[in-house]
Amino acid sequence: ETGVTQTPRHLVMGMTNKKSLKCEQHLGHNAMYWYKQSAKKPLELMFVYNFKEQTENNSVPSRFSPECPNSSHLFLHLHTLQPEDSALYLCASSLQRQGQAQPQHFGDGTRLSIL
Amino acid sequence: AQSVAQPEDQVNVAEGNPLTVKCTYSVSGNPYLFWYVQYPNRGLQFLLKYITGDNLVKGSYGFEAEFNKSQTSFHLKKPSALVSDSALYFCAVRRDTDKLIFGTGTRLQVFP
Repeated sequence: ETGVTQTPRHLVMGMTNKKSLKCEQHLGHNAMYWYKQSAKKPLELMFVYNFKEQTENNSVPSRFSPECPNSSHLFLHLHTLQPEDSALYLCASSLQRQGQAQPQHFGDGTRLSIL
Repeated sequence: AQSVAQPEDQVNVAEGNPLTVKCTYSVSGNPYLFWYVQYPNRGLQFLLKYITGDNLVKGSYGFEAEFNKSQTSFHLKKPSALVSDSALYFCAVRRDTDKLIFGTGTRLQVFP
């Protein structure tokens, strides 16, 4: 039990489909993150939410749309994806306090395959 | 700009032998450094962190890391490797209050 739950674990979709990835944490954390992990590439930070406010968007294409309705839930809405978007998408959360460096807790990811 | 480098794509070690996974960093200011491990089909798991204080940091599963300011390194170590330690290991440095920069990862293979 990681404390951060991601659903679905696997997703296969066509380029014209619309789907959403879900992330949920019950650790009392106030920051949530989306990462993209591709083979043989560094972990890419996509989005950061702090107290439900987006604080980072790392030049992510608009076909990825994040949503953070509250501090416990994070979504990644997908539409018109490309084959190069196939990857493992990881969600993480952390407790951010001024002057402290708390670790991030990760979910087990959603393995996304674009046909 | 903050960055970390993991110079080895893969490290092979025999079970029972000591292991070292290397990480060097580049930061402005005090470094906040982390090690994570990723097992197959799983997310990253936090192992240990260095904020300040003792240069030898102890973490989960018998791992430890040595902070060396003069060499700007933060190598992960374990005195006696287990086959179950085989996984992907990531070094990370804090960039802002709520962001981490990860290295490219090192695959550790422990042979029986």
